[in-house]
Amino acid sequence: SQQGEEDPQALSIQEGENATMNCSYKTSINNLQWYRQNSGRGLVHLILIRSNEREKHSGRLRVTLDTSKKSSSLLITASRAADTASYFCATGANSKLTFGKGITLSVRP
Amino acid sequence: DARVTQTPRHKVTEMGQEVTMRCQPILGHNTVFWYRQTMMQGLELLAYFRNRAPLDDSGMPKDRFSAEMPDATLATLKIQPSEPRDSAVYFCASAKPLDSYNEQFFGPGTRLTVL
Repeated sequence: SQQGEEDPQALSIQEGENATMNCSYKTSINNLQWYRQNSGRGLVHLILIRSNEREKHSGRLRVTLDTSKKSSSLLITASRAADTASYFCATGANSKLTFGKGITLSVRP
Repeated sequence: DARVTQTPRHKVTEMGQEVTMRCQPILGHNTVFWYRQTMMQGLELLAYFRNRAPLDDSGMPKDRFSAEMPDATLATLKIQPSEPRDSAVYFCASAKPLDSYNEQFFGPGTRLTVL
Protein backbone atom coordinates (compact mmCIF):
# COMPACT_ATOMS: atom_id res chain seq x y z
CA SER A 1 0.00 0.00 0.00
CA GLN A 2 1.14 3.55 -0.64
CA GLN A 3 2.48 5.30 2.44
CA GLY A 4 2.88 8.81 1.12
CA GLU A 5 0.05 10.63 -0.60
CA GLU A 6 0.87 13.77 -2.52
CA ASP A 7 -1.39 16.74 -3.00
CA PRO A 8 -2.35 18.13 -5.44
CA GLN A 9 -2.20 15.43 -8.10
CA ALA A 10 -1.40 18.03 -10.75
CA LEU A 11 -0.16 21.60 -10.62
CA SER A 12 0.26 24.12 -13.42
CA ILE A 13 2.04 27.40 -12.80
CA GLN A 14 3.74 30.21 -14.70
CA GLU A 15 7.51 30.38 -14.89
CA GLY A 16 8.85 32.44 -12.02
CA GLU A 17 6.08 31.48 -9.62
CA ASN A 18 6.59 29.26 -6.60
CA ALA A 19 5.30 25.69 -6.54
CA THR A 20 4.18 24.06 -3.32
CA MET A 21 3.56 20.34 -3.12
CA ASN A 22 2.33 18.44 -0.08
CA CYS A 23 2.73 14.91 1.15
CA SER A 24 0.93 13.12 3.95
CA TYR A 25 1.77 9.75 5.42
CA LYS A 26 0.29 7.37 7.94
CA THR A 27 2.94 5.59 10.03
CA SER A 28 6.16 6.50 11.82
CA ILE A 29 9.11 7.27 9.60
CA ASN A 30 12.87 7.57 9.85
CA ASN A 31 13.12 10.11 7.07
CA LEU A 32 11.21 11.56 4.13
CA GLN A 33 12.66 12.11 0.69
CA TRP A 34 11.51 13.91 -2.43
CA TYR A 35 12.34 12.69 -5.91
CA ARG A 36 11.77 14.08 -9.39
CA GLN A 37 11.00 12.09 -12.52
CA ASN A 38 11.21 13.54 -15.98
CA SER A 39 9.12 11.89 -18.67
CA GLY A 40 10.62 8.56 -19.72
CA ARG A 41 13.40 8.68 -17.14
CA GLY A 42 14.25 7.23 -13.78
CA LEU A 43 13.71 9.05 -10.50
CA VAL A 44 16.28 11.52 -9.26
CA HIS A 45 16.77 12.26 -5.58
CA LEU A 46 16.17 15.89 -4.64
CA ILE A 47 16.32 16.20 -0.88
CA LEU A 48 16.11 14.16 2.31
CA ILE A 49 14.79 15.33 5.67
CA ARG A 50 15.21 13.24 8.79
CA SER A 51 12.44 12.76 11.31
CA ASN A 52 14.18 14.98 13.85
CA GLU A 53 14.48 17.87 11.38
CA ARG A 54 11.79 20.44 10.65
CA GLU A 55 13.10 22.28 7.63
CA LYS A 56 15.80 21.88 5.06
CA HIS A 57 17.00 23.90 2.08
CA SER A 58 18.83 22.98 -1.08
CA GLY A 59 19.18 25.66 -3.74
CA ARG A 60 15.65 26.62 -4.82
CA LEU A 61 14.14 23.78 -2.82
CA ARG A 62 12.73 24.04 0.66
CA VAL A 63 11.24 21.05 2.41
CA THR A 64 9.42 21.02 5.73
CA LEU A 65 8.40 18.12 7.90
CA ASP A 66 5.75 18.08 10.60
CA THR A 67 5.83 14.69 12.29
CA SER A 68 2.90 15.57 14.56
CA LYS A 69 0.71 16.06 11.49
CA LYS A 70 2.52 13.39 9.48
CA SER A 71 2.99 15.76 6.61
CA SER A 72 5.69 17.36 4.50
CA SER A 73 5.80 20.07 1.90
CA LEU A 74 8.18 20.79 -0.93
CA LEU A 75 8.53 24.36 -2.13
CA ILE A 76 10.25 25.17 -5.41
CA THR A 77 10.93 28.87 -5.65
CA ALA A 78 11.26 30.87 -8.86
CA SER A 79 10.15 27.94 -10.99
CA ARG A 80 11.59 27.31 -14.44
CA ALA A 81 10.21 25.45 -17.45
CA ALA A 82 12.86 22.81 -16.77
CA ASP A 83 11.18 22.04 -13.43
CA THR A 84 8.32 20.43 -15.37
CA ALA A 85 8.27 16.84 -14.13
CA SER A 86 6.57 14.47 -11.71
CA TYR A 87 7.51 14.80 -8.06
CA PHE A 88 7.30 11.98 -5.54
CA CYS A 89 7.58 11.88 -1.81
CA ALA A 90 9.00 8.72 -0.29
CA THR A 91 8.91 7.72 3.35
CA GLY A 92 11.78 5.75 4.83
CA ALA A 93 11.07 3.12 7.46
CA ASN A 94 12.12 -0.47 8.09
CA SER A 95 15.07 -0.17 5.70
CA LYS A 96 13.03 0.71 2.64
CA LEU A 97 11.24 3.56 0.92
CA THR A 98 7.57 3.73 0.08
CA PHE A 99 6.62 6.13 -2.70
CA GLY A 100 3.47 8.11 -3.27
CA LYS A 101 1.79 8.29 -6.66
CA GLY A 102 3.36 11.60 -7.50
CA ILE A 103 2.44 15.15 -8.47
CA THR A 104 2.64 16.31 -12.07
CA LEU A 105 4.07 19.82 -12.19
CA SER A 106 3.82 21.85 -15.38
CA VAL A 107 5.68 25.14 -15.55
CA ARG A 108 4.53 27.32 -18.43
CA PRO A 109 7.19 29.49 -20.09
CA ASP B 1 29.87 9.84 -13.81
CA ALA B 2 28.60 6.85 -11.82
CA ARG B 3 25.16 5.63 -12.88
CA VAL B 4 22.89 2.66 -12.51
CA THR B 5 22.52 0.95 -15.86
CA GLN B 6 19.67 -1.27 -16.98
CA THR B 7 19.22 -3.49 -20.00
CA PRO B 8 17.26 -3.75 -22.13
CA ARG B 9 15.67 -0.31 -22.18
CA HIS B 10 12.64 -1.62 -24.05
CA LYS B 11 11.24 -5.11 -24.37
CA VAL B 12 8.20 -6.28 -26.29
CA THR B 13 7.31 -9.91 -25.89
CA GLU B 14 4.41 -12.27 -26.18
CA MET B 15 2.45 -13.71 -23.30
CA GLY B 16 4.09 -16.83 -21.92
CA GLN B 17 7.63 -15.87 -22.87
CA GLU B 18 10.45 -15.50 -20.35
CA VAL B 19 11.75 -12.00 -19.72
CA THR B 20 15.06 -11.19 -18.05
CA MET B 21 15.96 -7.67 -17.02
CA ARG B 22 19.45 -6.74 -15.87
CA CYS B 23 20.83 -4.02 -13.67
CA GLN B 24 24.33 -2.88 -12.88
CA PRO B 25 24.38 -0.92 -9.63
CA ILE B 26 26.81 1.89 -8.96
CA LEU B 27 30.19 0.50 -7.94
CA GLY B 28 30.43 0.37 -4.17
CA HIS B 29 26.69 0.44 -3.56
CA ASN B 30 25.67 -2.61 -1.58
CA THR B 31 21.90 -2.27 -1.61
CA VAL B 32 19.86 -2.89 -4.76
CA PHE B 33 16.13 -2.38 -5.23
CA TRP B 34 13.70 -3.46 -7.94
CA TYR B 35 10.57 -1.36 -8.51
CA ARG B 36 7.68 -1.57 -10.93
CA GLN B 37 5.87 1.56 -12.10
CA THR B 38 2.40 1.64 -13.65
CA MET B 39 -0.15 4.40 -14.05
CA MET B 40 -2.63 2.60 -11.83
CA GLN B 41 -0.39 1.45 -8.98
CA GLY B 42 2.40 3.98 -9.11
CA LEU B 43 5.84 2.87 -7.96
CA GLU B 44 5.87 -0.46 -6.15
CA LEU B 45 8.83 -2.10 -4.45
CA LEU B 46 9.23 -5.65 -5.70
CA ALA B 47 12.40 -6.78 -3.92
CA TYR B 48 15.67 -5.58 -2.51
CA PHE B 49 19.09 -6.98 -1.71
CA ARG B 50 21.89 -6.00 0.60
CA ASN B 51 25.35 -7.41 0.08
CA ARG B 52 23.77 -9.65 -2.57
CA ALA B 53 21.40 -11.29 -0.06
CA PRO B 54 17.66 -10.89 -0.59
CA LEU B 55 16.17 -8.95 2.31
CA ASP B 56 12.59 -8.51 1.21
CA ASP B 57 10.75 -9.80 -1.82
CA SER B 58 7.26 -9.59 -0.37
CA GLY B 59 6.15 -7.24 -3.13
CA MET B 60 6.93 -9.74 -5.84
CA PRO B 61 4.53 -12.38 -7.23
CA LYS B 62 6.50 -15.46 -6.30
CA ASP B 63 4.96 -17.82 -8.78
CA ARG B 64 6.37 -16.06 -11.83
CA PHE B 65 8.94 -13.50 -10.66
CA SER B 66 12.43 -14.15 -9.39
CA ALA B 67 15.24 -11.77 -8.47
CA GLU B 68 18.90 -12.61 -7.97
CA MET B 69 22.31 -11.00 -7.58
CA PRO B 70 24.84 -13.39 -9.10
CA ASP B 71 27.60 -10.95 -8.14
CA ALA B 72 28.01 -7.45 -6.77
CA THR B 73 27.89 -5.89 -10.23
CA LEU B 74 24.76 -7.59 -11.56
CA ALA B 75 21.16 -7.89 -10.43
CA THR B 76 18.55 -9.71 -12.48
CA LEU B 77 14.76 -9.76 -12.47
CA LYS B 78 13.13 -12.59 -14.32
CA ILE B 79 9.49 -13.15 -15.25
CA GLN B 80 8.46 -16.61 -16.39
CA PRO B 81 5.91 -16.90 -17.86
CA SER B 82 5.10 -13.28 -18.63
CA GLU B 83 1.52 -12.00 -18.75
CA PRO B 84 -0.03 -8.82 -20.21
CA ARG B 85 -0.58 -7.44 -16.70
CA ASP B 86 3.21 -7.43 -16.21
CA SER B 87 3.46 -4.59 -18.72
CA ALA B 88 5.10 -1.73 -16.84
CA VAL B 89 8.36 0.13 -16.42
CA TYR B 90 10.78 -1.74 -14.15
CA PHE B 91 13.36 0.30 -12.31
CA CYS B 92 16.47 -0.76 -10.51
CA ALA B 93 17.97 1.50 -7.86
CA SER B 94 21.06 1.24 -5.70
CA ALA B 95 22.13 2.83 -2.44
CA LYS B 96 25.39 3.27 -0.58
CA PRO B 97 26.43 1.16 2.37
CA LEU B 98 25.63 2.16 5.98
CA ASP B 99 21.88 2.07 5.59
CA SER B 100 19.28 2.08 2.88
CA TYR B 101 17.76 5.31 4.18
CA ASN B 102 20.31 7.09 2.07
CA GLU B 103 19.22 8.39 -1.25
CA GLN B 104 18.55 5.83 -3.90
CA PHE B 105 20.03 6.16 -7.36
CA PHE B 106 17.69 4.99 -10.07
CA GLY B 107 18.46 3.48 -13.43
CA PRO B 108 16.64 4.58 -16.60
CA GLY B 109 14.22 1.67 -16.42
CA THR B 110 13.14 -1.17 -18.68
CA ARG B 111 9.83 -0.57 -20.41
CA LEU B 112 8.18 -3.98 -20.76
CA THR B 113 5.22 -4.65 -23.01
CA VAL B 114 3.66 -8.09 -22.93
CA LEU B 115 1.25 -8.72 -25.78
